[in-house]
Amino acid sequence: GEDVEQSLFLSVREGDSSVINCTYTDSSSTYLYWYKQEPGAGLQLLTYIFSNMDMKQDQRLTVLLNKKDKHLSLRIADTQTGDSAIYFCAETINNAGNNRKLIWGLGTSLAVNP
Amino acid sequence: ETGVTQTPRHLVMGMTNKKSLKCEQHLGHNAMYWYKQSAKKPLELMFVYSLEERVENNSVPSRFSPECPNSSHLFLHLHTLQPEDSALYLCASSQDRAVAKNIQYFGAGTRLSVL
Repeated sequence: GEDVEQSLFLSVREGDSSVINCTYTDSSSTYLYWYKQEPGAGLQLLTYIFSNMDMKQDQRLTVLLNKKDKHLSLRIADTQTGDSAIYFCAETINNAGNNRKLIWGLGTSLAVNP
Repeated sequence: ETGVTQTPRHLVMGMTNKKSLKCEQHLGHNAMYWYKQSAKKPLELMFVYSLEERVENNSVPSRFSPECPNSSHLFLHLHTLQPEDSALYLCASSQDRAVAKNIQYFGAGTRLSVL
């Protein structure tokens, strides 16, 4: 099946680390993505990881991929109030006719408290 | 600024109105997408265009009619909508829908309310 699951809410204190988790079911995943959506805005790509990698770091962001468990996480170090947003996990899977398809999670709403 | 511009940002329409949503991308991409975002539901892919040809139509009611006159512009024509069609409509583009690294760039969306 094609399914991406995320917890719906996360609340952290400013300055702490945030960890947003995602699980997926399709083993044909090639790329996995984290998008951020701020209020009143569209989705913005934060980072992505290729399925043969297990970690990627980009400034305050660390992505961990456990392909065996089909588990993806996004860690935000030193979380700031500006990080409050909805974070979407997505994966590219192979679709019929050698095309690709993006499967989206429901999004995790991150609230950062001062 | 993502390079994808949507207008209008907000739209209120009655069930008998006809309106259109517009999307323009300045990224030179070949693929464009319409999504519907409703509260507590996954992002719903509505239509996909590749090189101006519609390649996906995911069981979307005929009251939504897309149009892609060229690779930079995408429209969604709306007529006789229902209140349950109220949602945020997002346009996105990507370089090529057939590649594995399919990074999509999104516009800010049109918040649609159907009365």
